[in-house]
Amino acid sequence: ETGVTQSPTHLIKTRGQQVTLRCSSQSGHNTVSWYQQALGQGPQFIFQYYREEENGRGNFPPRFSGLQFPNYSSELNVNALELDDSALYLCASSLDREYEQYFGPGTRLTVT
Amino acid sequence: GNSVTQMEGPVTLSEEAFLTINCTYTATGYPSLFWYVQYPGEGLQLLLKATKADDKGSNKGFEATYRKETTSFHLEKGSVQVSDSAVYFCALMFNDKIIFGKGTRLHILP
Repeated sequence: ETGVTQSPTHLIKTRGQQVTLRCSSQSGHNTVSWYQQALGQGPQFIFQYYREEENGRGNFPPRFSGLQFPNYSSELNVNALELDDSALYLCASSLDREYEQYFGPGTRLTVT
Repeated sequence: GNSVTQMEGPVTLSEEAFLTINCTYTATGYPSLFWYVQYPGEGLQLLLKATKADDKGSNKGFEATYRKETTSFHLEKGSVQVSDSAVYFCALMFNDKIIFGKGTRLHILP
């Protein structure tokens, strides 16, 4: 069984640019959640997608947006990048909304 | 609001020492509680969980008991190993989202 995968592993962008991060959920999982983990901090919830619809959002501005596809993979898009967006972005999938979440290895985004 | 507070690190212990990492939470309702571990350069792995009061989660020699009366979920291990060196996160799940503590870095010396 393949676990949660994320791409790319690392990414360097310039302030003001846009970025798209990708996540493939574990087989059979219909829910994907995205988290931002700044250096030395715990992950912060960005949003969750359930069956292609947004199902809850954390305290992040609208320039953070997402999508979930019919195969339940997901994208996180961040527009107008700021230096503070530099972080590890984690994706987690679960069998359903209230089930435990399994995390991918993350994408390390550096904004210069 | 819902939140998790865990002891600050780093925590440095010798191999075979007893480990406790304190975690308390604030929540409306009855959340599920988790401990996640993050090894260097890796993503988060679920270490153990408890879904209701008095439940004990356990895995790889680690244990934690869901204490509703003290709103706590302390992580313990009787004899730590060098391979346990990692960052440990206490977390709660409420309304389908996970809220994490800030993490506790653990160093085990041989």
